[in-house]
Amino acid sequence: AQSVTQLGSHVSVSEGALVLLRCNYSSSVPPYLFWYVQYPNQGLQLLLKYTTGATLVKGINGFEAEFKKSETSFHLTKPSAHMSDAAEYFCAVSGGNNRLAFGKGNQVVVIP
Amino acid sequence: EAEVAQSPRYKITEKSQAVAFWCDPISGHATLYWYRQILGQGPELLVQFQDESVVDDSQLPKDRFSAERLKGVDSTLKIQPAELGDSAMYLCASSLVGLVGTDTQYFGPGTRLTVL
Repeated sequence: AQSVTQLGSHVSVSEGALVLLRCNYSSSVPPYLFWYVQYPNQGLQLLLKYTTGATLVKGINGFEAEFKKSETSFHLTKPSAHMSDAAEYFCAVSGGNNRLAFGKGNQVVVIP
Repeated sequence: EAEVAQSPRYKITEKSQAVAFWCDPISGHATLYWYRQILGQGPELLVQFQDESVVDDSQLPKDRFSAERLKGVDSTLKIQPAELGDSAMYLCASSLVGLVGTDTQYFGPGTRLTVL
């Protein structure tokens, strides 16, 4: 079975500062890892995903994440926060059956 | 760009009533998923279809929830009778193949259900 831990439900960041959202996973098989973003009253949009190969993954809107097997982590970063980054962010993991297990999410607030 | 369509977007009902949600996946996507997202939590899978067949409904409360995808295209999720604890966002997603862990799931806008 797979699971994800996201700590800190609310994350506040100043506009222009680094965005860092932490994700740790547990998986009995080689994991596939995803980050999704959700704006109010909307569905989830894929930011990026890791399958195999390069451990540093670049996504949309300037986000990237690094897969670290030794730390069972897949943290999401963006060098400079923008007001439009205010949203909820979910980390998810799947095994070979494409069943996604989501974390509880991080609500990001961007302070002008 | 093709999108997953869901209706209605919002639904208010009284407990013990029946409700139904509809989902139309991206054309050509074989796999369809229904998720429930309680406020402040991540989505939880309720049921997964591969074409018209259910491949995973282990988390679906079968005493009151049912789901069908008769022709392997659009799908309906029903709750009868609705309970207060069913208030949540119901999300539909689809993916091209679905049997491979790397397949991207594309989400619809969701139906927000409020049970009074």
